[in-house]
Amino acid sequence: DVVMTQSPLSLPVTLGQPASISCRSSQSLVYSDGNSYLNWFQQRPGQSPRRLIYKVSKRDSGVPDRFSGSGSGTEFTLKISRVEAEDVGVYYCMQGTHWPPRTFGQGTKVEIK
Amino acid sequence: EVQLVESGGGLVQPGGSLGLSCAVSGFTFSRYWMSWVRQAPGKGLEWVANIKEDGSDKYYVDSVKGRFTISRDNAKKSLYLQMNSLRAEDTAVYYCTRDQDSNSDAFDVWGQGTMVTVSS
Repeated sequence: DVVMTQSPLSLPVTLGQPASISCRSSQSLVYSDGNSYLNWFQQRPGQSPRRLIYKVSKRDSGVPDRFSGSGSGTEFTLKISRVEAEDVGVYYCMQGTHWPPRTFGQGTKVEIK
Repeated sequence: EVQLVESGGGLVQPGGSLGLSCAVSGFTFSRYWMSWVRQAPGKGLEWVANIKEDGSDKYYVDSVKGRFTISRDNAKKSLYLQMNSLRAEDTAVYYCTRDQDSNSDAFDVWGQGTMVTVSS
């Protein structure tokens, strides 16, 4: 199974400042079609998860452009350009290239300093 | 509006059984793979099982193989998860989520979740 490792697991940030979350996979996520199936999810307190990013860098509809995804191979990053209060929650990466099983990272808790 | 609504959660004793349902609306259900994902209290997300558009292929995480069965009824636009031989470690919120189709990636839509508690 592909292991997804996120860092940091806890990220205190100042409002208006940038934030960055790293996600590493135990093997390359490049699929035979050339795409890398790496998604990012946001889970606000008490809510269901919400997909933010798919295929490494494509933003879902309605996701603010302060969220961006990048990376390739086994190293991926989610960046928030300027953190807002509504961004508090837990962020998960997930790989959809080598399944089953689909596997998630441990989650990174973003909180305001 | 695309909607997934889970039901069927509750308290069950270890070794017992429970069946979950997910009612779908707002999209062509029969075009999509569908998945169940769970989240134990205070823990992260874990994919549990998925099923192909026509129900012909099913996959499970190792920890539930032989105990859980995923199924679907495309006419009723419903997804199901039958859980047998339940263990304390199966305690979690279970989410129904839309998996992939030919044009979209996995998990773009989620239900609100249903809580399953396995305890004596």
